[in-house]
This record gives sequence, C-alpha cells and structure tokens, in this order.
Amino acid sequence: AQTVTQSQPEMSVQEAETVTLSCTYDTSESDYYLFWYKQPPSRQMILVIRQEAYKQQNATENRFSVNFQKAAKSFSLKISDSQLGDAAMYFCACFQGGSEKLVFGKGTKLTVNP
Amino acid sequence: KAGVTQTPRYLIKTRGQQVTLSCSPISGHRSVSWYQQTPGQGLQFLFEYFSETQRNKGNFPGRFSGRQFSNSRSEMNVSTLELGDSALYLCASSLVQGGDNSPLHFGNGTRLTVT
Repeated sequence: AQTVTQSQPEMSVQEAETVTLSCTYDTSESDYYLFWYKQPPSRQMILVIRQEAYKQQNATENRFSVNFQKAAKSFSLKISDSQLGDAAMYFCACFQGGSEKLVFGKGTKLTVNP
Repeated sequence: KAGVTQTPRYLIKTRGQQVTLSCSPISGHRSVSWYQQTPGQGLQFLFEYFSETQRNKGNFPGRFSGRQFSNSRSEMNVSTLELGDSALYLCASSLVQGGDNSPLHFGNGTRLTVT
C-alpha cells in the first residue's frame, strides 16, 4: 500500500530565510507522481510543486524546489527567501498510476516569523 | 476561469440525519474526487468520478455515496450521520481521470459539524 510520511508536525523559519520540509513515501509502483500542496487558513489546497518519478531532474517553481531522492524514496521541499504568506500547512502527496487517488501525508505546519 | 466551487461552506447537522454536499469543478474538468480531512486521520480519499461513473472508492462505509452529473458537477451524500463524520470535505477536479498529467485543483471545502 502507498504511504506518505511527514516527520515534522511543525516547523518555523525567519522571514527571508530558507526552510526544508521532509517527506518520505512508499510505493510498489514505478510509475508515480509526487506533489506538495499548501493549505492556508482559507482551507483551499493549493498545488505548490509536482515531480514525475521518471524525471531525475528536481522540479523548481520560483522560490520552491524539491530534492527528489528516488532510491531513498525521499521528496523534500525547500522554500527559499521565506515570506509571511508562506505560512500554512504543507502536505506531501503521492499519486500512483492505476490507483487514481492521491495519498497524503499528515502535514507540516509552517510558521514564518517576521 | 472560475475555480472549484463547493457549497455550502459550513453545515451543522444532528446525528442520524443525512447531508448532501455539492461540488462544481473547473470548467472543462471531467474528473471529480472527494476527500475527507480530519485532525486525527488527515486527508483520506473518498471516491473519484469521471464521466458520471465512479472509478475508485476509498475505505469508507456505504453511508458515504456520491454521484456525478452530465455537466461534471458532483454531489456526495452521507446518511445516518455520526459524530465521527465531522470533518472538512474537500472536492478536487482535474482535466482527465487521475492526477498524473493533470494535477488536482481543490475547492475551499465544506466544514461539516455533527452534533
């Protein structure tokens, strides 16, 4: 079965600093996709970044980048130049080809201190 | 383009009652998924619909059901409500079935409280 583990329930970072959120996953499939979603207090889940498992190059989206270590089944999110608006719950998720569903981790609450 | 719209935003029901939640996907999106979010269990997959057909279902009792209409709008129904059904219910849509080539876009959710 697919599992996604986020070992850090809470993290904090100073504004303008860099923070890394950890995520490990387990899947038996070779065809899968990984995502980081952000959920601010407004409750809407917002896609931050996605990574196709077959791509070796780490995905980047502006200040957000991932460190995808396929052999270790690790998928961490790095936020550079943190902003107050980055404060939210961050969820790591895995989509396995054939299952047609996202499996989410428990989330990491990120606080950004001014 | 309008996002995923869920109605109502908040709902308070009594144990034993039933409830219907609505979700309008992004225009052109044909796949609609439902997730339950609770502090204890996190986000759990309920079911996914594509072209009016349920293609996948999570591990929830039969009290949880859903449907999708020809315009891709979806409803989920929970009958005989229990206190443990109190949760945020999130709907997500994607262009085609599955989230691999077309990531899920989520709505703001419906907060259901069962008393």
